[in-house]
Amino acid sequence: NAGVTQTPKFQVLKTGQSMTLQCAQDMNHEYMSWYRQDPGMGLRLIHYSVGAGITDQGEVPNGYNVSRSTTEDFPLRLLSAAPSQTSVYFCASSYSMRVESPLHFGNGTRLTVT
Amino acid sequence: DQQVKQNSPSLSVQEGRISILNCDYTNSMFDYFLWYKKYPAEGPTFLISISSIKDKNEDGRFTVFLNKSAKHLSLHIVPSQPGDSAVYFCAASGSGGSNYKLTFGKGTLLTVNP
Repeated sequence: NAGVTQTPKFQVLKTGQSMTLQCAQDMNHEYMSWYRQDPGMGLRLIHYSVGAGITDQGEVPNGYNVSRSTTEDFPLRLLSAAPSQTSVYFCASSYSMRVESPLHFGNGTRLTVT
Repeated sequence: DQQVKQNSPSLSVQEGRISILNCDYTNSMFDYFLWYKKYPAEGPTFLISISSIKDKNEDGRFTVFLNKSAKHLSLHIVPSQPGDSAVYFCAASGSGGSNYKLTFGKGTLLTVNP
């Protein structure tokens, strides 16, 4: 049981490049989400999904796209990377979207945009 | 506007003593609170939670206290162990009780010295 798996662990991009951060969970969780963590700031929600085929924007969605074609996978796409997107990205899932269902986080992807 | 505040960026305690981590919130609609622990190079992990209908919840060495009138909660770790050294995030849910309405604090780095 791997839990939430994020790949890659590290990535360096040049401004304007695109890439996809992968997230997969093997716990059959309905709810999945992406956060970014910046120095001196708490975790901020980028996008979330309450089930396959359903996605919505969080607090800081600009510059990111998501899709949820399967229960297991929730990739995050950067279409045209900007230095402001340098951050550590965490994918998280939970059994349900209810807050009483705690989030399970992956180990993060550290992204640097030059 | 920071709705969940962890005013102490860091805290250092001796092994065996009590660690007290504090969290203040400004939104009176928050009614569910959680603490997550994060080790370096790992994702946050759920530690303990409390609903606003309670003022205390304990799980082993960890106890969370909620003071609704003061909009304040605290996490007590007794006795503290070196393995407790980590960043602790406080999180609160808005109305509706959904994970996509979670607001995280900036975190407090706890160091437990042997």
